[in-house]
Amino acid sequence: AQSVTQLDSHVSVSEGTPVLLRCNYSSSYSPSLFWYVQHPNKGLQLLLKYTSAATLVKGINGFEAEFKKSETSFHLTKPSAHMSDAAEYFCVVSDRGRSGYSTLTFGKGTMLLVSP
Amino acid sequence: GAVVSQHPSRVICKSGTSVKIECRSLDFQATTMFWYRQFPKQSLMLMATSNEGSKATYEQGVEKDKFLINHASLTLSTLTVTSAHPEDSSFYICSASWSGRYNEQFFGPGTRLTVL
Repeated sequence: AQSVTQLDSHVSVSEGTPVLLRCNYSSSYSPSLFWYVQHPNKGLQLLLKYTSAATLVKGINGFEAEFKKSETSFHLTKPSAHMSDAAEYFCVVSDRGRSGYSTLTFGKGTMLLVSP
Repeated sequence: GAVVSQHPSRVICKSGTSVKIECRSLDFQATTMFWYRQFPKQSLMLMATSNEGSKATYEQGVEKDKFLINHASLTLSTLTVTSAHPEDSSFYICSASWSGRYNEQFFGPGTRLTVL
């Protein structure tokens, strides 16, 4: 079974400062990893994904994440936070579920708060 | 591309009634669709996986007679919450993928169900 641990339930930053959202995973296979963002009462938007190509993955809105197999980590970073980045962020690992198809296992989420 | 819609976005119903939620892939053929449930301030939990023309595969603990899933075409899946009760109140999100993109899922905007 695969699992995802998001180490912080809340992260608070000031606008213009760097963002770090931490994620560790466990997997029996070569995983695919994703970061999704969810604004209040909205669906999920894909920020970026790792699928065994380059370990440093660049996504939308200036976010990037680095896959570190030795540390089983996939932390999300952004050099400078913007007010519009305030949202819930989910780290996700791809799994092969009961259906036999790839399914997604979600972390519990990290709420990013950005202050002026 | 890869847009998924859900209807309705919000529904309020009385206890004991049934509610149908539609999930449509607007610009691609979705061979597989997924239904998730999200409680307030919690992560997404996979309820079931459905493939066009076949029975859905439900996750452990999800009552298949309670949550009826139909995936009648490559662009439409429906979730019917039968005899809804207040504890069924939740945010229901669908996602879709196609055979060439097993790992990536495209999410709908979600449906907020409130059972009085």
